[in-house]
Amino acid sequence: DGGITQSPKYLFRKEGQNVTLSCEQNLNHDAMYWYRQDPGQGLRLIYYSQIVNDFQKGDIAEGYSVSREKKESFPLTVTSAQKNPTAFYLCASSVGLVYEQYFGPGTRLTVT
Amino acid sequence: AQSVTQPDIHITVSEGASLELRCNYSYGATPYLFWYVQSPGQGLQLLLKYFSGDTLVQGIKGFEAEFKRSQSSFNLRKPSVHWSDAAEYFCAVGTANFGNEKLTFGTGTRLTIIP
Repeated sequence: DGGITQSPKYLFRKEGQNVTLSCEQNLNHDAMYWYRQDPGQGLRLIYYSQIVNDFQKGDIAEGYSVSREKKESFPLTVTSAQKNPTAFYLCASSVGLVYEQYFGPGTRLTVT
Repeated sequence: AQSVTQPDIHITVSEGASLELRCNYSYGATPYLFWYVQSPGQGLQLLLKYFSGDTLVQGIKGFEAEFKRSQSSFNLRKPSVHWSDAAEYFCAVGTANFGNEKLTFGTGTRLTIIP
């Protein structure tokens, strides 16, 4: 079955620690994305990547970092510089930037 | 710059009643249009999409949407809602300005179903 996997579903960290969220896709999509969603809010774009070894900042990139070493993988690191990291994080992929995006199940990160 | 507006933050509908969720966009050319649904704690699922051709698009779960160029709208409809339709619905617009291709999401409409 083709799709996007995110792990883990729930993640708990202490303040001051970096944490990496996993995103893998087997859809052979070139583009991948990371979004943040807060309660009652829409989607806010953190980073996106059109091809391997290239990525661009979205609207709220501060305190986050990404890598794209393989086409199928786009991990997101939430650094200690992110002031409000507790949120629901969604990964997505698409064949191109204007086309439909397919989403993973999300990771809920709680930092205390 | 392109934008997407979902005017209704929250809609409550009785089970079995019809539903229409509004979506308006601002863009100079014909965009690609999408509707997504999100259940609590889940990812987004694509309901339907419009690229070109017939302006009435059928999707999954009994939903349809109509592209109206004159009104810059792409409203989502369902003739009879079920309790399982309670969720958050997002409209999205794909635009292809040279060097600035992107997919923009609306802020969402939360749908509550009452018995």
